[in-house]
Amino acid sequence: DAGVIQSPRHEVTEMGQEVTLRCKPISGHDYLFWYRQTMMRGLELLIYFNNNVPIDDSGMPEDRFSAKMPNASFSTLKIQPSEPRDSAVYFCASSRRQATNEKLFFGSGTQLSVL
Amino acid sequence: AQKITQTQPGMFVQEKEAVTLDCTYDTSDQSYGLFWYKQPSSGEMIFLIYQGSYDEQNATEGRYSLNFQKARKSANLVISASQLGDSAMYFCAMRVGNTGKLIFGQGTTLQVKP
Repeated sequence: DAGVIQSPRHEVTEMGQEVTLRCKPISGHDYLFWYRQTMMRGLELLIYFNNNVPIDDSGMPEDRFSAKMPNASFSTLKIQPSEPRDSAVYFCASSRRQATNEKLFFGSGTQLSVL
Repeated sequence: AQKITQTQPGMFVQEKEAVTLDCTYDTSDQSYGLFWYKQPSSGEMIFLIYQGSYDEQNATEGRYSLNFQKARKSANLVISASQLGDSAMYFCAMRVGNTGKLIFGQGTTLQVKP
């Protein structure tokens, strides 16, 4: 299996621009998670999906952030408009089930820099 | 509310020695899972070890073991015979059954000295 695939690996954009991050989970995994990692706040859970349906988006920082999962093999995290404080590493992760013993498999992350 | 606390921002250890990374957690749920992940400087998140809340024995995976003390709500990671390649950030995490979320501690940076 190819693992969780994220694109792009690096994104540099200017303040005010729209940014779209992409994720392909592992086939057969029902759960998909978006995390943001910063030095100040560590690894924050932004949103997660079960069978393509958003379950909890309480970690999404504000309305500028939106996430979709149109099908079982693709998800996007969009920031519009982007701001310098959005600069971070964004991880996508997936797991087969909700069970407490199911580990999450992480993608390589997208390093986002907003100038 | 669930919470993971890692109180050691940074640790040093001599090569070939053992090191313990601390983790405490807080949850009112009876069913939960505890995980440790390693994040080297390259940035990827690597799963190391898992401990279930109902497991009576401490988990072990090669040089990694998890010192699980349920009454104290601690899940410390022990790395035996440290290697230079163990230098990385280590995250403790908890997954609670009723939500499926995996929440992370702040992480501990480990540096192994030759």
